[in-house]
Amino acid sequence: EDQVTQSPEALRLQEGESSSLNCSYTVSGLRGLFWYRQDPGKGPEFLFTLYSAGEEKEKERLKATLTKKESFLHITAPKPEDSATYLCAVESGNTPLVFGKGTRLSVIA
Amino acid sequence: DAGVIQSPRHEVTEMGQEVTLRCKPISGHNSLFWYRQTMMRGLELLIYFNNNVPIDDSGMPEDRFSAKMPNASFSTLKIQPSEPRDSAVYFCASSLNSGANVLTFGAGSRLTVL
Repeated sequence: EDQVTQSPEALRLQEGESSSLNCSYTVSGLRGLFWYRQDPGKGPEFLFTLYSAGEEKEKERLKATLTKKESFLHITAPKPEDSATYLCAVESGNTPLVFGKGTRLSVIA
Repeated sequence: DAGVIQSPRHEVTEMGQEVTLRCKPISGHNSLFWYRQTMMRGLELLIYFNNNVPIDDSGMPEDRFSAKMPNASFSTLKIQPSEPRDSAVYFCASSLNSGANVLTFGAGSRLTVL
């Protein structure tokens, strides 16, 4: 059974204080690892897909990386508008996305 | 495109009542997913459809839950009878197909069962 564990559950940063979110996964045959952002009262919004170990993708202050066992979402010099819950999900075989419980990020000005 | 449209956004009902949640996927998307989100369990897949056909409903909690997709532009998730433990946010999502493609989520339907 595919499993996704995210840490920490919650993270509080000062504006400009860089950090990383972790996503550990156990799957049989990874087809893709996904990062989503979810704002309060809204549905998850797609950020990145990573397909193989060593792959990296960037978008503004966010960079996602992937190894064979985990993915990191690096946040460089965050701003208050980066505050959200960040969800990691994996897809394997013919099964749809399995999500982790997310990391709630708060960036304080 | 208006994205994935869900209704109602909020529903408050009493235990034992029937609840119907509705979803309109993005035009051209051929896969549709129903997820449930709670603080304790996070996002859980309930059921998904490919080309209007249910593929996997193993995530449906029990027989009180049922889902239909009568055509490519409409799906319903029904709970009958509802119970307080069904209180959650229910999300519908769609994608071009079910293989390693991006899911686009609706805004969700927040259900409270008293």
